[in-house]
Amino acid sequence: GDSVTQMEGPVTLSEEAFLTINCTYTATGYPSLFWYVQYPGEGLQLLLKATKADDKGSNKGFEATYRKETTSFHLEKGSVQVSDSAVYFCALLEGGKLIFGQGTELSVKP
Amino acid sequence: DTGVSQDPRHKITKRGQNVTFRCDPISEHNRLYWYRQTLGQGPEFLTYFQNEAQLEKSRLLSDRFSAERPKGSFSTLEIQRTEQGDSAMYLCASSLKLRGRISNEKLFFGSGTQLSVL
Repeated sequence: GDSVTQMEGPVTLSEEAFLTINCTYTATGYPSLFWYVQYPGEGLQLLLKATKADDKGSNKGFEATYRKETTSFHLEKGSVQVSDSAVYFCALLEGGKLIFGQGTELSVKP
Repeated sequence: DTGVSQDPRHKITKRGQNVTFRCDPISEHNRLYWYRQTLGQGPEFLTYFQNEAQLEKSRLLSDRFSAERPKGSFSTLEIQRTEQGDSAMYLCASSLKLRGRISNEKLFFGSGTQLSVL
């Protein structure tokens, strides 16, 4: 079946550093792709999405581009803040359900 | 608060006991999902409903697990004869699937029910 693989965490960065969290997927078709974020003590929430190849999803300074050639959807942010500390999940839509990666914990130090 | 709510937030039980969790989705949402998450892992799909119909159930879900959504509103997830391996966070999510639209809808998650089986 379809699956998602994320880079291992935790990732620790200083404030204003550049962030990349790698995500690759395996799918039989071209699924919609998502990044969800889980802040400490809160439920999962959608960060951004892309529905077809070459689409770029963006929100709150985060971006990810749907790359069909490399089956990737890497998350990037040019300058992270302490408030970005959270666990980030890459996911794809298979049929009517989301398939998640294992999550990458990000810790941003002041 | 109009978000997804789950009850209880925490449940501690002894092995062999039955437990039931409740999820109240966002009121206008027709789809409801159950996921399970263990420490350091992503949410794992269990089952989902469209209105009162259970459309898919994970093959990983044993016969001890059953979910219902009798009136297409709230849902319950029951685990019978709990085992220590059932200890996890159980997440509920809801979404609005529009007829004729490709399924790229946004899921709204609750805060989950943390189950500990002793």
